[in-house]
Amino acid sequence: DSGVTQTPKHLITATGQRVTLRCSPRSGDLSVYWYQQSLDQGLQFLIQYYNGEERAKGNILERFSAQQFPDLHSELNLSSLELGDSALYFCASSSRTAGGRKETQYFGPGTRLLVL
Amino acid sequence: ILNVEQSPQSLHVQEGDSTNFTCSFPSSNFYALHWYRWETAKSPEALFVMTLNGDEKKKGRISATLNTKEGYSYLYIKGSQPEDSATYLCAFISSGSARQLTFGSGTQLTVLP
Repeated sequence: DSGVTQTPKHLITATGQRVTLRCSPRSGDLSVYWYQQSLDQGLQFLIQYYNGEERAKGNILERFSAQQFPDLHSELNLSSLELGDSALYFCASSSRTAGGRKETQYFGPGTRLLVL
Repeated sequence: ILNVEQSPQSLHVQEGDSTNFTCSFPSSNFYALHWYRWETAKSPEALFVMTLNGDEKKKGRISATLNTKEGYSYLYIKGSQPEDSATYLCAFISSGSARQLTFGSGTQLTVLP
């Protein structure tokens, strides 16, 4: 158990709908990263937050957005869903300690999204 | 676009065999290289974080080496056991980035009893 929690574990929805995925980082971790694992691609970085602020964006679609709240949990919002958005969505957290070159990112169990 | 490649894509070995696989990454702007072990239906589990050229890390029967000048890392498993069956992912972090991981596609290892 990495200490990172994600809900829900599974989500089935229809095209055009909107869903929210939730992530609680490890206690004390300030950074949250979101990754997407599609069937035909490896793990792709979507977006990172650090202590409530957006730090970096990767291959995140405009239909997707995220935020990190004062209690450091994060939500990934996916809207106008398409079939191709079906994937496993992971969040990871890290502490970003000083000299954090060796910091590890700890992954949650993922949310499996199926868009029908 | 950062290119992180892993080979082989999949590997079947007999229990007790030793094995190794490769991760290739850009040799410029190196910051760190991570190895993860990902079992089916679980989340990726961190194995090693490697930061210096020549680094060697070991955890039980698993070890890894790093060559940042030529842009590769090897992961070795000595005396493979069925419980070692998993996908092994490497992930590269470039300097100047916000520390996000760029993953390779993984090596899927199956250890046959």
